[in-house]
Amino acid sequence: DAKTTQPPSMDCAEGRAANLPCNHSTISGNEYVYWYRQIHSQGPQYIIHGLKNNETNEMASLIITEDRKSSTLILPHATLRDTAVYYCIVRVVEYGNKLVFGAGTILRVKS
Amino acid sequence: NAGVTQTPKFRILKIGQSMTLQCAQDMNHNYMYWYRQDPGMGLKLIYYSVGAGITDKGEVPNGYNVSRSTTEDFPLRLELAAPSQTSVYFCASSETPNYGYTFGSGTRLTVV
Repeated sequence: DAKTTQPPSMDCAEGRAANLPCNHSTISGNEYVYWYRQIHSQGPQYIIHGLKNNETNEMASLIITEDRKSSTLILPHATLRDTAVYYCIVRVVEYGNKLVFGAGTILRVKS
Repeated sequence: NAGVTQTPKFRILKIGQSMTLQCAQDMNHNYMYWYRQDPGMGLKLIYYSVGAGITDKGEVPNGYNVSRSTTEDFPLRLELAAPSQTSVYFCASSETPNYGYTFGSGTRLTVV
């Protein structure tokens, strides 16, 4: 699976959009981009995933560049409860393939 | 919906003791996983299963064993506990490899 690079930490003001970048310059054509988050002491929570097209759900939006070498997770109106570690993961979706977590980005939402 | 249930939530073991961490899911997911997370670190995959009767090693399987006799249950066994196994253990499941994983709330294990 391709390696990802994320900033170690970011701050965001409450109510503003939080834009979390992820670099995956070695991504291959059949690898998906997944985002998870982990709020302190809890199990990770799935947020969103995509292959080529931008995706949106009730939690967030995922913007993938045309060359697929980077992506951005957008939380449109961050709240204090969005303070967490956010993991960007790229992986091939196939039989038996697993999710491998890196270090992630610590997002601190401040009032 | 119960989702993924892990028991116990906390446990202290002495060196050399054994224990089983329980994981159960009620979503009829075929895929199940065990991860460990050391303080301040990311998650590392211990074992995974793609269906009843089928298990395979992840990144850090040494010192652990698993079984998958039913779709619902995926217990993790520690035979001879060591201080290096002090960690938080998370179980997860997914419907298919493509779907997002559902994680349990974790078991916090301390080996002294």
